Amino acid sequence: AQSVSQHNHHVILSEAASLELGCNYSYGGTVNLFWYVQYPGQHLQLLLKYFSGDPLVKGIKGFEAEFIKSKFSFNLRKPSVQWSDTAEYFCAVKTYGGSQGNLIFGKGTKLSVKP
Amino acid sequence: GAGVSQSPRYKVTKRGQDVALRCDPISGHVSLYWYRQALGQGPEFLTYFNYEAQQDKSGLPNDRFSAERPEGSISTLTIQRTEQRDSAMYRCASSQPGQSSGANVLTFGAGSRLTVL
Repeated sequence: AQSVSQHNHHVILSEAASLELGCNYSYGGTVNLFWYVQYPGQHLQLLLKYFSGDPLVKGIKGFEAEFIKSKFSFNLRKPSVQWSDTAEYFCAVKTYGGSQGNLIFGKGTKLSVKP
Repeated sequence: GAGVSQSPRYKVTKRGQDVALRCDPISGHVSLYWYRQALGQGPEFLTYFNYEAQQDKSGLPNDRFSAERPEGSISTLTIQRTEQRDSAMYRCASSQPGQSSGANVLTFGAGSRLTVL
């Protein structure tokens, strides 16, 4: 069965530090890739997505992610985090060949940014 | 509506009771999805609809769980004879039709937090 792994459960950074959150998936076919974010007290929101084309995708608030097909990875990055980036981040994968509706999520990484 | 609306936001019930969770998707969104998120976990797929047709219910954990979307808009997730293990955040999402640029991009509601005592 397809799965999504997020390697870090909780990451603590100081403001201005660089961020990289790992995401790996297990599926050899075509995928759509997503990062969702949940700020405290809010609902899940789309941060960025990759469908095709340039493997380096840019999202909102200065976030970017790089799809590396050979590594089955879609890591999220931000050069300089802010306190307002404190949130939980979820990587998600939609595979082709399976159910249209089945977006598979990782367990999430909680990011805490110290001011 | 402007966003995906879920109700109730919080539901506390006693073991053995039935609960119904409601989702009102974004107007014009054809596809509607239900996910469940336990504490410390990512959202887990339950079921989804295109219009009123339930396309995939493979994620429903057992036959106590059911969902419907009779008119292709509002959906209800029903859990019968609730158990403590059913306690979780139940999330609804909707997306645009499959051929549009917004397809496969899910917009989530705030969720319904269910606590079974």
